[in-house]
Amino acid sequence: GAGVSQSPSNKVTEKGKDVELRCDPISGHTALYWYRQSLGQGLEFLIYFQGNSAPDKSGLPSDRFSAERTGGSVSTLTIQRTQQEDSAVYLCASSTRDRAQTQYFGPGTRLLVL
Amino acid sequence: GDSVTQMEGPVTLSEEAFLTINCTYTATGYPSLFWYVQYPGEGLQLLLKATKADDKGSNKGFEATYRKETTSFHLEKGSVQVSDSAVYFCALSDSWGKLQFGAGTQVVVTP
Repeated sequence: GAGVSQSPSNKVTEKGKDVELRCDPISGHTALYWYRQSLGQGLEFLIYFQGNSAPDKSGLPSDRFSAERTGGSVSTLTIQRTQQEDSAVYLCASSTRDRAQTQYFGPGTRLLVL
Repeated sequence: GDSVTQMEGPVTLSEEAFLTINCTYTATGYPSLFWYVQYPGEGLQLLLKATKADDKGSNKGFEATYRKETTSFHLEKGSVQVSDSAVYFCALSDSWGKLQFGAGTQVVVTP
């Protein structure tokens, strides 16, 4: 079946602009995660959605970052007033409910802020 | 908080050599442990996992054993191939499934 998809695959933006990154999880997966992969910080957790529960936003680095998940499926990560330090690969993953289940990762969105 | 420490790379070795990548963790509770792999130009994919102490995860000739007494989950492969060249990430998951990753270890296998 289809895996996790993300769009766009690459995004170049100017400092100060807003960007939206999209994630389509695997159908039927109730858990959705966003991570960021950057040279300086490695792989960092950003936010976690589980079903209709309130999301765990503990990893978001600042209030410029927000995310939503509509209808328990597609998720959008929004970065407002982008800064150069936001340049990174943003990864989305989905899994079934059990914490021991595999997280399936999308190909990522490579964001470059000029 | 939870953390994962893995050996720095790059690790360069010849085909058919033995590979070990050390990974240790600190965590409250009883996390699940994972090794993820990122091949050049590809996304992250699960290599193996272990959910409780003394469990051994294995896949594609790789093995790792969950050692609670030493808080370790070292990755081993007896005979590497050029196709094993990749970046390997050790990770643990908390009770909600959030992954805490190590810094990653680049492995380069030469013919």
